[in-house]
Amino acid sequence: QKEVEQNSGPLSVPEGAIASLNCTYSDRVSQSFFWYRQYSGKSPELIMSIYSNGDKEDGRFTAQLNKASQYVSLLIRDSQPSDSATYLCASVGGSNYKLTFGKGTLLTVNP
Amino acid sequence: EAQVTQNPRYLITVTGKKLTVTCSQNMNHEYMSWYRQDPGLGLRQIYYSMNVEVTDKGDVPEGYKVSRKEKRNFPLILESPSPNQTSLYFCASSFRGRAYGFTYEQYFGPGTRLTVT
Repeated sequence: QKEVEQNSGPLSVPEGAIASLNCTYSDRVSQSFFWYRQYSGKSPELIMSIYSNGDKEDGRFTAQLNKASQYVSLLIRDSQPSDSATYLCASVGGSNYKLTFGKGTLLTVNP
Repeated sequence: EAQVTQNPRYLITVTGKKLTVTCSQNMNHEYMSWYRQDPGLGLRQIYYSMNVEVTDKGDVPEGYKVSRKEKRNFPLILESPSPNQTSLYFCASSFRGRAYGFTYEQYFGPGTRLTVT
């Protein structure tokens, strides 16, 4: 069973701090990794994708991938109250392009 | 505007009454998929389609049907809904990657909240 595990949270950080979200995956053939943000009752919104080992930065967001350790993380710098949401880690592996999601981590940014 | 649309957004129905949830995308994506989201269980794939007339089961296909007669549309059919199908449903689409395991990003529709009484 291919799994994606996330630190269960909830995670609470003060405004302006760095929020760190972590994810591990079990399928060694996974090659594509995504972070989605989901506000309560809304659809998942893609915020980062990463395919290669190392870091990828986009504004306040940095995704990190370590395929040897099967580990993906998301750092949110200068966290804002509007970042308060559930963050979903997902991986794709196999020929059917299936996204396997973690259960999500609820992040609360306190003003 | 590039988007995935779903209809209806909210639906309350009774056990056994057939229903269809429509999904349409305007991005010329080959790949489309249906998910359901339940508290504590996360997002689970119901069915997916790699292209027109090509569909396959996901993790939780029981009680659902799909069809893909046109590239842009991927309806989800519940022939005899039951209360355990009460859930939040999402359609998603993406381009199909060229190499094994590689894929472009999947984009989600706004969701359909279904209640079966």
